[in-house]
Amino acid sequence: DIVMTQSPDSLPVSLGEGATINCKSSQSVLYSSNNKNYLAWYQQKPGQPPKLLIYWAFTRESGVPDRFSGSGSGTHFTLTISNLQAEDAAVYYCQQYYSIPYTFGQGTKLEIK
Amino acid sequence: EVQLVESGGGLVQPGGSLRLSCAASGFTFSSFEMSWVRQAPGKGLEWLAYITATSTIIYYADSVKGRFAISRDNAQNSLYLRMNSLRVEDSALYYCARGIATSLPAFDFWGQGTTVAVSS
Repeated sequence: DIVMTQSPDSLPVSLGEGATINCKSSQSVLYSSNNKNYLAWYQQKPGQPPKLLIYWAFTRESGVPDRFSGSGSGTHFTLTISNLQAEDAAVYYCQQYYSIPYTFGQGTKLEIK
Repeated sequence: EVQLVESGGGLVQPGGSLRLSCAASGFTFSSFEMSWVRQAPGKGLEWLAYITATSTIIYYADSVKGRFAISRDNAQNSLYLRMNSLRVEDSALYYCARGIATSLPAFDFWGQGTTVAVSS
């Protein structure tokens, strides 16, 4: 199984600042035949299901603000949120869909300072 | 509007069974791959099972293989999860989720979930 490890576990950030969440996979999720990273990011607020933010490591889902961006390749990935807004307070998860079982990181709780 | 509505959760004793349902609307259900994902209280997300649009390919997480069965009825726009031999550690909120595109199992729509509690 591919183990997804996120850091940090919690991240206090002030409004208007930027936030960076890291995700490391135990093996590469880059598929060489199409040069795509099989990596997604989700946002989950209390009492709500997860919301897809990014897939293919950097493709923003429709309707997601461009303050959210994804980067990385192979085994190291980053979700960057710029100009933090109050509504960005949530738990963020990375997920690999390169191989079965699809696995999620443990989550990073983004808190507003 | 895409909607996924889960039902069928409840309180069951260890060793018991439940059948979860997910009613889909607002999109061509028969064209999309689907999955079940669960979340234990205060915990993270765990993918459980996946089924292709025509049910030709099915995958399971090891934690549920042999106990759970995913299926779908495209005529009824419904996804199912049959759960047998339930354990205390199966207690969680169970979500159905839609794969964004063929062979792209990032999940773009999720239901609100149905709660399963396994306890004696």
